[in-house]
Amino acid sequence: DTEVTQTPKHLVMGMTNKKSLKCEQHMGHRAMYWYKQKAKKPPELMFVYSYEKLSINESVPSRFSPECPNSSLLNLHLHALQPEDSALYLCASSQDLRPETQYFGPGTRLLVL
Amino acid sequence: EDQVTQSPEALRLQEGESSSLNCSYTVSGLRGLFWYRQDPGKGPEFLFTLYSAGEEKEKERLKATLTKKESFLHITAPKPEDSATYLCAVRGPGNMLTFGGGTRLMVKP
Repeated sequence: DTEVTQTPKHLVMGMTNKKSLKCEQHMGHRAMYWYKQKAKKPPELMFVYSYEKLSINESVPSRFSPECPNSSLLNLHLHALQPEDSALYLCASSQDLRPETQYFGPGTRLLVL
Repeated sequence: EDQVTQSPEALRLQEGESSSLNCSYTVSGLRGLFWYRQDPGKGPEFLFTLYSAGEEKEKERLKATLTKKESFLHITAPKPEDSATYLCAVRGPGNMLTFGGGTRLMVKP
């Protein structure tokens, strides 16, 4: 199984809503990532978890809150988002911190109204 | 600060018309240059890793090359199914990826 799954595929939320994005992998990878990608732009790294501990936070606003309940799951909790937060949110995992071992999920397309 | 610039931003080719995509980079201590393919609404799919100048990698109709300042992704006799956005990224001393803006390739039959 060389797949990273993400749910939901699409999400529409208001600025006062609380929602969560989920990511799952069963490849035994110990590093997991959240990226944000705006239309026609490259992915931007948000968070990195290594061995279930947050190792990198790229100065992301606190309205985004990551969580890694176990080595297979990664969540991104969303609260009080702004319309400019609308984007494709990509999850990735890797065996170690080498990008060449990184597998990306299909993403969650988020629209904030 | 690591910088990656890709050109052109968009490229339209006829089926069978070979071309090259460019990725120029500035990084203090390159620890790998990576090419990805991304289809609309999907995550990037890893294609190649290059580590040192002069290195080349091939996969089907794609060939990636690396110099000290740039990388090229050569596409030979492309087919419509090669249409996608091609992303270049570098890994610097911080071990994280810095992506370029991508080249959107459209191959018409």
